[in-house]
Amino acid sequence: SQKIEQNSEALNIQEGKTATLTCNYTNYSPAYLQWYRQDPGRGPVFLLLIRENEKEKRKERLKVTFDTTLKQSLFHITASQPADSATYLCALDGDYKLSFGAGTTVTVRA
Amino acid sequence: NAGVTQTPKFRVLKTGQSMTLLCAQDMNHEYMYWYRQDPGMGLRLIHYSVGEGTTAKGEVPDGYNVSRLKKQNFLLGLESAAPSQTSVYFCASSYSSGNQPQHFGDGTRLSIL
Repeated sequence: SQKIEQNSEALNIQEGKTATLTCNYTNYSPAYLQWYRQDPGRGPVFLLLIRENEKEKRKERLKVTFDTTLKQSLFHITASQPADSATYLCALDGDYKLSFGAGTTVTVRA
Repeated sequence: NAGVTQTPKFRVLKTGQSMTLLCAQDMNHEYMYWYRQDPGMGLRLIHYSVGEGTTAKGEVPDGYNVSRLKKQNFLLGLESAAPSQTSVYFCASSYSSGNQPQHFGDGTRLSIL
C-alpha cells in the first residue's frame, strides 16, 4: 500500500540551529514533491515544490532535497527563528491530486 | 484578494442532521479539493473537481457528496451526519494538478454529537 511517513516525533530546537525534517514514501512515483507550513487553527500554506529531476531547491532559509532512489525528501530550516515554529507537511503528486504526510511539528526556542 | 474562503468556520450538529459546507475561490482556479484533517492522520482527500461540472472521489468519500455548479464554488454535503465525521474540513484550489501549489482556506471545525 502507499505510505508517506514524516518524523513522528516533534522537533524542538534552539534558535539559530538548523532543523531537518524527513519525508519518506513507499509505492509512489511522484514527479513533484511539495512542502507546506501549517499554523494552529489555519490552513496549510505552500512553501516549496521540487521536481523529480531536481536534487535540491532553496528559498531564503529553506532547502529541500529530493532523492527518488531513496524515496526520500529532506526539508531544512537554517538559522531557525521562533517564528518558524509550526507543523510542516510534505505532499506527493499523483492522478490530479496530492497525498499528504501527517506532518512534523517544529518548536524553535529563543 | 480573499483567496479561498470557507463558511461556516464552526458548526455543531446532532447525529442524523444534514449540512452543506461552502468553499469559494477568487483565483480562477480549475481544480478544487475537499480534505478532512484528524489528529495524527494528516490531510485526507474526500472529493475533488478538475473543472466546473465535474467531481471525483478521493480517499475517504463515503458519507459525503459534492457539487461544482460554478467554477468558483465547491460545496461539500453531509446527508446524515455521524460522530465519525467530527473533524476539521479544509477546502483547497489550484491552477492545475501536482506541479502547482494548492491554496487552502482556514477550515471548518465540525463537531457531531
